[in-house]
Amino acid sequence: EVQLVESGGGLVQPGRSLRLSCAASGFTFDDYAMHWVRQAPGKGLEWVSGISWNSGSIGYADSVKGRFTISRDNAKNSLYLQMNSLRAEDTALYYCAKDRAYGDYEAPHFDYWGQGTLVTVSS
Amino acid sequence: VIWMTQSPSLLSASTGDRVTISCRMSQGISSYLAWYQQKPGKAPELLIYAASTLQSGVPSRFSGSGSGTDFTLTISCLQSEDFATYYCQQYYSFPPGFGQGTKVEIK
Repeated sequence: EVQLVESGGGLVQPGRSLRLSCAASGFTFDDYAMHWVRQAPGKGLEWVSGISWNSGSIGYADSVKGRFTISRDNAKNSLYLQMNSLRAEDTALYYCAKDRAYGDYEAPHFDYWGQGTLVTVSS
Repeated sequence: VIWMTQSPSLLSASTGDRVTISCRMSQGISSYLAWYQQKPGKAPELLIYAASTLQSGVPSRFSGSGSGTDFTLTISCLQSEDFATYYCQQYYSFPPGFGQGTKVEIK
C-alpha cells in the first residue's frame, strides 16, 4: 500500500524558514518523480515544486522560485521542501504527491497524495 | 502559462442525475489532462488521466472526454459519495496547473 506522510508544518513568523518532509513507502521511491502541491484555506490546488527520480530535473512555481528548495533522499525514501523567507500568502496545507508515470518528470500528474501538513505564516 | 477555465464553479444535483463539468484551456494540450475528486478534509484523488483513461479502482460511472482545448468530466448516475469538489489539471507544460474547482452539492 502506497503511503505518503508529511511532517514539519506549523506556525511560523513572516520571513522565517520551515522544512517539510515526506516519508514514502509502499512503492519503489527512486522510480518516480515527486511533487509538492499546496492548498490555501478554502481555496484550490496549486502545484509548488517537483523533482525527478534522480534529482536531475527540478521545477518551481513562480510564486516560490528563489525562496523554496525541493530535494529528495532516495536512500531514505524521503522528499523535502525547504521554505525560506515565508510570507503570509504561503499559508496552506502542503501535500506531497507521487507522479503517476514511471520514470517521467515532464508530464506531472499525481496518483497518490499524503494527508498534508499545515503551514501557517503569521506574526 | 496555460490558462484554465473550469465550469461551473457550483453544481446542484440530485442522486441519479447525469452531470458534466467542463474544463477549457487557453491553448491546445493534446490529451494531457487529469481529473481529481476532493472531499472535505481529505486529499485529492485521481479519477482520470490522459483525458479519458480511468484510474484503477475508479467506478465506471466516471468518464472523461476531449482533446486540444475542451474537456469534459461526466458522472453518469450521481451517487451520494460523489458529492465533492472536482478539479481538472493540465500536465502538457510547466507549470502544471489546476482548474478553479467545481463543487457538486446536493440539490
